Amino acid sequence: KAGVTQTPRYLIKTRGQQVTLSCSPISGHRSVSWYQQTPGQGLQFLFEYFSETQRNKGNFPGRFSGRQFSNSRSEMNVSTLELGDSALYLCASRDRVSTDTQYFGPGTRLTVL
Amino acid sequence: GENVEQHPSTLSVQEGDSAVIKCTYSDSASNYFPWYKQELGKGPQLIIDIRSNVGEKKDQRIAVTLNKTAKHFSLHITETQPEDSAVYFCAASLVSGGYNKLIFGAGTRLAVHP
Repeated sequence: KAGVTQTPRYLIKTRGQQVTLSCSPISGHRSVSWYQQTPGQGLQFLFEYFSETQRNKGNFPGRFSGRQFSNSRSEMNVSTLELGDSALYLCASRDRVSTDTQYFGPGTRLTVL
Repeated sequence: GENVEQHPSTLSVQEGDSAVIKCTYSDSASNYFPWYKQELGKGPQLIIDIRSNVGEKKDQRIAVTLNKTAKHFSLHITETQPEDSAVYFCAASLVSGGYNKLIFGAGTRLAVHP
């Protein structure tokens, strides 16, 4: 089975812009979680989607949003970018929300200038 | 809320030695504890996990132990090899209403020297 894929792998934006990141889970997996990884804050949970509905949310401002499509692919959007949003954004999938094991994609490296 | 502390932040060992990384979690309701290895430019890769009804689990050179009373869990790597060099993250998962999220430790950068 192919693993979790994320596009694009690298992205450079300027402050004030918005960005959309994409994640395709492992085939058959219906849950997608998003994490932000920074040197200062480590790995932090953003939100989780299952069956096109947000099921769980971390402590991030409303500028961070997401959605999931009927084929389980997910997108994450960050509006009004700030310098502090520069990070590696990771997506993880699992087959259902009652399963513990999550598998991560390679991440999207976002740089905000 | 759930908090996971991980020590040490860096660890340097000689090839063939053992490496031990320790984590402490705060929420006694946590019931699943995975360990991830992250190499440069890659996403975290699950290497081993343990559930709260098990005290120890081993997979070749890697083992994890869990002490629920003390809320500690540890990763043990024996006969380390240079390719074990990476950042290792522990995590605790809290399941509530069928949904869980992973709370990660800050990571341990392991360097294995030939």
